[in-house]
Formats: sequence, C-alpha cells, structure tokens
Amino acid sequence: AQSVTQPDARVTVSEGASLQLRCKYSYSATPYLFWYVQYPRQGLQLLLKYYSGDPVVQGVNSFEAEFSKSNSSFHLQKASVHWSDSAVYFCALSPYYNVLYFGSGTKLTVEP
Amino acid sequence: AQTIHQWPVAEIKAVGSPLSLGCTIKGKSSPNLYWYWQATGGTLQQLFYSITVGQVESVVQLNLSASRPKDDQFILSTEKLLLSHSGFYLCAWSLQGAGDTEVFFGKGTRLTVV
Repeated sequence: AQSVTQPDARVTVSEGASLQLRCKYSYSATPYLFWYVQYPRQGLQLLLKYYSGDPVVQGVNSFEAEFSKSNSSFHLQKASVHWSDSAVYFCALSPYYNVLYFGSGTKLTVEP
Repeated sequence: AQTIHQWPVAEIKAVGSPLSLGCTIKGKSSPNLYWYWQATGGTLQQLFYSITVGQVESVVQLNLSASRPKDDQFILSTEKLLLSHSGFYLCAWSLQGAGDTEVFFGKGTRLTVV
C-alpha cells in the first residue's frame, strides 16, 4: 500500500533562515511526487513535482525538493524563508492515474 | 480565467441528517474533478474522481457518494451523516490525470457533525 508521512506537524523558523520540510513515502515503485502549499484562506497550490530524472527539482518561489530513492524521501527546501512563506505544506504522491495520496501537512510559521 | 466555487463554506449538521456539498468549475470544459476530505488533524484523503459527466470513481469508502450531473458540477452527498464525517472537504479539478498535471483546489467546506 502507498502512504505519505510528514513527521513534523509544525515547524517554526526565523525569517532569512534556511528551511527543510520532511516527507517520507511508501510505494513499491518510483511514484510521481508533489509538494502543495495552502496559504491562509486559500486552496492548495502546486509548488513543484517530480516524475523522473534529476533528483533535485525546482519549484515556485525558490523552493526546491530532493528525491531520494534509497531513503524513500522527498524533502522540501528553501535557502532563505520570508514571512510570506508561512502556510501549510503538503507532500503527495500519485501511484496511478487520477489519484493523489497526501501527507498530513506541516504548518510552517516564519517569525520576523 | 477558470474559477472553482464550493458551497456551502461551512455547515453544522446533526448525526443522521442528509448532506449535500457542491462544487462548480467555470472556464474549463471537461475537467477531471475530485473530492478530498481531511479529518481534523488528519491526512487529506481523496474520496472520488470523475473524468466525465455521469461517471464517478470511488477511491476511499466513507459512506459518502458523489455525482457529476453536469460537466462543470460535482456533488458530494450522503443520506445519513456520521460523527466521523466531520472535517474539511475540498473539491478540485485538473485538465489531465492528477498525477500528470497540476490539480487546482477550491477553498473548501468545513463540516461539523454534532
């Protein structure tokens, strides 16, 4: 069975600091992987996606994620966070057509 | 521009009462449509998807049903609500499969079953 685990329910960082949000997945093959973000009072928006190839993928707003098959991970990173990055971040995988499995989300708070 | 509208924004319902949540997508023809649910503090789970009018596929069984009566409309319903149905319901759409392209989400409906 497939699953996505985001071990950190809440993360707090200072503005300008670097960020890593963790995501571990369970799937028998290499899945399609995604990070979505939900800003306050908004729907979820796609940050980036991984299908194959280069394990480091670039997304919007200078976010990037690194896929590791050996660790079954897809961690999200940003070199320097801004207060506007405060939001809930969801990792997801798609094992087959038209289905997405999400993690429980990580709420990021960026302190001034 | 395409828009997705969910209704109602929030709902408080009694156990055993019926439920109908709706979603309308404007500006795109023949989108793939989805229903997701998140229990408080839980994972976002996909409930249903629909590729075309009149066809709905179930992903997770939660004693809920879905229908697509029009190309731009997706309805989630049940005749008898359970306490476990409480949570946050999100409607979404995409142009292709959810794994192939970006999925666009509505702002959701907060359901409280008492």
